Amino acid sequence: DAGVIQSPRHEVTEMGQEVTLRCKPISGHNSLFWYRQTMMRGLELLIYFNNNVPIDDSGMPEDRFSAKMPNASFSTLKIQPSEPRDSAVYFCASSPTTDTQYFGPGTRLTVL
Amino acid sequence: SQQGEEDPQALSIQEGENATMNCSYKTSINNLQWYRQNSGRGLVHLILIRSNEREKHSGRLRVTLDTSKKSSSLLITASRAADTASYFCATVLSGAGSYQLTFGKGTKLSVIP
Repeated sequence: DAGVIQSPRHEVTEMGQEVTLRCKPISGHNSLFWYRQTMMRGLELLIYFNNNVPIDDSGMPEDRFSAKMPNASFSTLKIQPSEPRDSAVYFCASSPTTDTQYFGPGTRLTVL
Repeated sequence: SQQGEEDPQALSIQEGENATMNCSYKTSINNLQWYRQNSGRGLVHLILIRSNEREKHSGRLRVTLDTSKKSSSLLITASRAADTASYFCATVLSGAGSYQLTFGKGTKLSVIP
């Protein structure tokens, strides 16, 4: 199994641009999580999907952030417009119907 | 907000020594998990301990849970240079009805060869 796949691994963009982060969960996992990690705030849960349905998006910082899961094998996290304070590492994780989560390698986002 | 808080924030030991990291949390939990993160990589699940368990072992790892004190500890025995990483505790809240993890800020472990 290839594990959770995220793309791109690195993204550098200018303030105001749209950013789209992509995630392919492990096949057969029905829960998917998006996290953001910064030095100041640590690892924060942004949104959680179960069977492709958003269950809890209370961690999404503001309306500039949106996430979709059109099918069981793909999810996107979009930031529009991006701001320098969005710079962070964004992780996607998936989970079967157990408690363990499997993390992708992350996308390092830099907004100039 | 952070549910778990790891202590110490950083730990440096010699190879072969044991490393102990602690985690405290605030509210009732269903289970507590420990993850490792190597620099520039994603998190890797190490071990899970449920609220009705007190101790669990996995290879060189030993985890304890004290629900009365709302605390857990992770012991790595006979540490190796490859154990150098950040270690995070994460909790699943009691009655959460989901598998949401709330992470602490981690302990950065350095094992000196």
